[in-house]
Amino acid sequence: GAGVSQSPSNKVTEKGKDVELRCDPISGHTALYWYRQRLGQGLEFLIYFQGNSAPDKSGLPSDRFSAERTGESVSTLTIQRTQQEDSAVYLCASSLGQGGEYFGPGTRLTVT
Amino acid sequence: AQRVTQPEKLLSVFKGAPVELKCNYSYSGSPELFWYVQYSRQRLQLLLRHISRESIKGFTADLNKGETSFHLKKPFAQEEDSAMYYCALRMNTGFQKLVFGTGTRLLVSP
Repeated sequence: GAGVSQSPSNKVTEKGKDVELRCDPISGHTALYWYRQRLGQGLEFLIYFQGNSAPDKSGLPSDRFSAERTGESVSTLTIQRTQQEDSAVYLCASSLGQGGEYFGPGTRLTVT
Repeated sequence: AQRVTQPEKLLSVFKGAPVELKCNYSYSGSPELFWYVQYSRQRLQLLLRHISRESIKGFTADLNKGETSFHLKKPFAQEEDSAMYYCALRMNTGFQKLVFGTGTRLLVSP
């Protein structure tokens, strides 16, 4: 089947606007992650969903960031009142909870 | 707190030369260690994990708990090995999120 997909692939937005990024994990994968990768930097953990457990939100940088997941399916990452420092590639990954994670192609967000 | 350190941002070698990409970690428990690779214009993908003790594309990595290291090695680099390599750690308790290093770009020249 298809791998992890993300949409949009690219998003340019004006400072102060809200954006919503979408992730479709591999069917049956119980674990879902969001990471952020700023230019020239490593992957920064944002949030982790595992089954029906409460998500680990410890990586969200501010209260402007939030994420939801519908059951073990689609997840959306919302950034409110975007700032220029939010510009990055946002990566989603899913897994069965153990073993390696499968990554999506990412959404490149540019805040002007 | 758990941390993964990759001291080299760029490693440049000639084809056929040995390669070692360094990774050190800090974690008080027994972690699970991974190497991920991202080739140009492709998505990030798992290369190998320490518990499998396997060799993928000629790469191996041994977990050294004494030195808290998980260096990636290949005896003879190939041009197609050029890519970004990320070391990652998963805790074995609580939320098992992956923590990544900052990555090393490997450039293999002909």
